[in-house]
Amino acid sequence: DAGVIQSPRHEVTEMGQEVTLRCKPISGHNSLFWYRQTMMRGLELLIYFNNNVPIDDSGMPEDRFSAKMPNASFSTLKIQPSEPRDSAVYFCASRAGTASTDTQYFGPGTRLTVL
Amino acid sequence: RKEVEQDPGPFNVPEGATVAFNCTYSNSASQSFFWYRQDCRKEPKLLMSVYSSGNEDGRFTAQLNRASQYISLLIRDSKLSDSATYLCVVTPPSGGYNKLIFGAGTRLAVHP
Repeated sequence: DAGVIQSPRHEVTEMGQEVTLRCKPISGHNSLFWYRQTMMRGLELLIYFNNNVPIDDSGMPEDRFSAKMPNASFSTLKIQPSEPRDSAVYFCASRAGTASTDTQYFGPGTRLTVL
Repeated sequence: RKEVEQDPGPFNVPEGATVAFNCTYSNSASQSFFWYRQDCRKEPKLLMSVYSSGNEDGRFTAQLNRASQYISLLIRDSKLSDSATYLCVVTPPSGGYNKLIFGAGTRLAVHP
C-alpha cells in the first residue's frame, strides 16, 4: 500500500502567487481531510470531503483558499493569492469510513514557504 | 479555552525512565479519544486509541477519565526512539463525522 501521496513535498513561492497542493488518498478510502500545521496554531482541519463531496469547510481560512476533489483518487488545495502567513505544513489524510474507530492516515505533508 | 489542552513540554528523560503525559478536553460529550505520535518533520501517526477501561500496548498505557475529562499516556522503559511529539486527540459528540480535534502536542526527548 503506497499510503497517502502528496505533492510537492516542498514549495517556495512569492507573495501573490498561486499555489496548488495535491493529494492522492489511499485507494478505497472515501473520506479525505486537508489540515494545516503551524507552530502557533498546531494542527487545524481545513476541509473534509466524503465521497468526493465537501462536507465541512468551516476551517478554510478565507476566500483565498479553495479545495476540490474531482474524483475518488485526487484532491487539490489551492491558495490564490498566497501570503506569507500561509507558510505552514499542509497535510492530507484519508480514512476508509466515517466511524470513530476508523483510522485517519496522513500523507507526508507539503511544506509551504511564502516569501 | 482550547478544546484539547496539553503540557507542551519538552520532557527530557533518560533512557529507561517512565514518563507520563496528561491531556484535558473541554467538551464532556466528546466521543472518542486517541494518542497520535509525530516525529520531527513527519506526519502524525496513530499510536493508540484510548478506552474508558484503560488499555495497554507494550510499554504504552493509555487511560481515560470521563468524569474529569482527562486523558493520560504512560510510557515505561523509555527508548531513544520514543523521542517525538505526542498529540492528544478527541472526536466531538456523536452526530458529526468524527473529525479529529488535536491538542498542540507534548514533546518528549529521551537521552542516553
